[in-house]
Amino acid sequence: AQRVTQPEKLLSVFKGAPVELKCNYSYSGSPELFWYVQYSRQRLQLLLRHISRESIKGFTADLNKGETSFHLKKPFAQEEDSAMYYCALSPYPYGQNFVFGPGTRLSVLP
Amino acid sequence: SAVISQKPSRDICQRGTSLTIQCQVDSQVTMMFWYRQQPGQSLTLIATANQGSEATYESGFVIDKFPISRPNLTFSTLTVSNMSPEDSSIYLCSVGRETRPQFFGPGTRLTVL
Repeated sequence: AQRVTQPEKLLSVFKGAPVELKCNYSYSGSPELFWYVQYSRQRLQLLLRHISRESIKGFTADLNKGETSFHLKKPFAQEEDSAMYYCALSPYPYGQNFVFGPGTRLSVLP
Repeated sequence: SAVISQKPSRDICQRGTSLTIQCQVDSQVTMMFWYRQQPGQSLTLIATANQGSEATYESGFVIDKFPISRPNLTFSTLTVSNMSPEDSSIYLCSVGRETRPQFFGPGTRLTVL
């Protein structure tokens, strides 16, 4: 069965420092990977998906099939990036269980 | 984008009772999902709500415990039946494409005493 792991429950960085939120997955097929974010007192929302190859709010994530990873990166963290981040996996073909990781709380310190 | 509202936003219930949570979307959507987020844990998919037919439940979740209705493309309800303290969670409605949730409701925080 597919599984998503995020090794860090909490990650603290200083403003302006680079940030990397780690995500590893286990799935034998070709998954689609996502990052979701939940800011304080706001609802969960989709941040980005690997298929789009886009940069959202300065964040990027590259799917590394060899290392089965989908780490989220930003070169210069901002205080407003403080939030809960969830990595998620959608198995292909669709119709199977969409799986969320346990989440990492990012705290950007002034 | 889709704007999702949920009612109630929170409730405190007695063991053995049932609670129905409503989810309203401001546009017609094909895929609607119900998730549970237990304290300190990640999101777990309960079921996919299908319009006009029975919901598709994930392993570990059954219709008798979590009956779901989806009368149209903008509305769904999730009932948590015969509640126990283990059902204390945040319940989230979500909409998206295929099996992928894209937009989430604000959640319903349920506490069972």
